[in-house]
Amino acid sequence: DAGVIQSPRHEVTEMGQEVTLRCKPISGHNSLFWYRQTMMRGLELLIYFNNNVPIDDSGMPEDRFSAKMPNASFSTLKIQPSEPRDSAVYFCASSEVTGWNSPLHFGNGTRLTVT
Amino acid sequence: ELKVEQNPLFLSMQEGKNYTIYCNYSTTSDRLYWYRQDPGKSLESLFVLLSNGAVKQEGRLMASLDTKARLSTLHITAAVHDLSATYFCAVEDSGGGADGLTFGKGTHLIIQP
Repeated sequence: DAGVIQSPRHEVTEMGQEVTLRCKPISGHNSLFWYRQTMMRGLELLIYFNNNVPIDDSGMPEDRFSAKMPNASFSTLKIQPSEPRDSAVYFCASSEVTGWNSPLHFGNGTRLTVT
Repeated sequence: ELKVEQNPLFLSMQEGKNYTIYCNYSTTSDRLYWYRQDPGKSLESLFVLLSNGAVKQEGRLMASLDTKARLSTLHITAAVHDLSATYFCAVEDSGGGADGLTFGKGTHLIIQP
């Protein structure tokens, strides 16, 4: 299995631009999570989906952030418009819903820099 | 709101020594996870602890869970340089299914030769 695949690995953009991060979860995993990691705030859960349905988006910082999961094998996290304070590493993770001992499997992350 | 606190946040130790990282959490939970992250890399799952008194060991690392005390420990035995990394504990605060994990801030561990 290729694991959770995220793209791009790095993204540098100017303030005000739209940014789209992409994630392909592990095949067969029913839950997908978006996390953001910064030095100051650590790892923060932004949103998660079960069976493609958003369950909890209370961690999404502002209306500028939106996430979709149109099918079981793809999710996007969009920031529009982006701001310098959005600079962080964004991780996508997937897990089996029915696996009580199933940890989250993380992708390699997207390092976002907004100038 | 679930809070997860790790202690210490930074640890520098010498090879061959033993040490323990502590993870306290603020709400009832019987599922706790430990992850390792190398610089610039993703998070790698180390242990899943599912019940009170659970103990798991992998090589020089041993993790335990005390749900009554809301405490988990990660013990390092005879540390080696390859164990240098940041270690996170994470707690799931609701039962059933796979819900989002709340992570501690991580313990940055440096093991010197």
